[in-house]
Amino acid sequence: SQQGEEDPQALSIQEGENATMNCSYKTSINNLQWYRQNSGRGLVHLILIRSNEREKHSGRLRVTLDTSKKSSSLLITASRAADTASYFCATDAGANSKLTFGKGITLSVRP
Amino acid sequence: EAGVAQSPRYKIIEKRQSVAFWCNPISGHATLYWYQQILGQGPKLLIQFQNNGVVDDSQLPKDRFSAERLKGVDSTLKIQPAKLEDSAVYLCASSTNTGRRYEKLFFGSGTQLSVL
Repeated sequence: SQQGEEDPQALSIQEGENATMNCSYKTSINNLQWYRQNSGRGLVHLILIRSNEREKHSGRLRVTLDTSKKSSSLLITASRAADTASYFCATDAGANSKLTFGKGITLSVRP
Repeated sequence: EAGVAQSPRYKIIEKRQSVAFWCNPISGHATLYWYQQILGQGPKLLIQFQNNGVVDDSQLPKDRFSAERLKGVDSTLKIQPAKLEDSAVYLCASSTNTGRRYEKLFFGSGTQLSVL
């Protein structure tokens, strides 16, 4: 079963705009991770935020985590055409630290 | 640093045939994962190894799927016999995770399987 659900399913923006993607989950987590997948390739890790953290930055990426609402958001600022990809949130929950992925968000950045 | 290596890149077989995928994780990574990704969906964990022991195989269809990780390094995933619904990308990933502190996963490029 998939724990994380991303929203929206698809997002199309103009280059230079900001992109915001949301992820909701159902059970308590140890940490939450965001990954990017370019077409026909494997997933690439973007950022990990632990359950006791509320916000994290990495370059043009900003991730927030609200454990009371069981939700996270990924913000990509000043988007580029190269940011076009699918984005997945993944939650780590339970004793075995099993990483469970959502269905993903397709981001298209128009030049 | 070499990444996670997977082969083959593509495989086309007929239903009821068998197929095997190979993965070589990043050197020193204790944990190895096999994920199945059906088109339009997120990756689903099939099996997780820590060194050469199985940590989680709860979603592995054991009547047709098998996996092994000899000597705690590379791994093979086998499907026998294949069904149409096995058409997917099979992703291998590895991490330094020792179970006490979860770290990020490094993924290979995957094997795209088409079952006709």
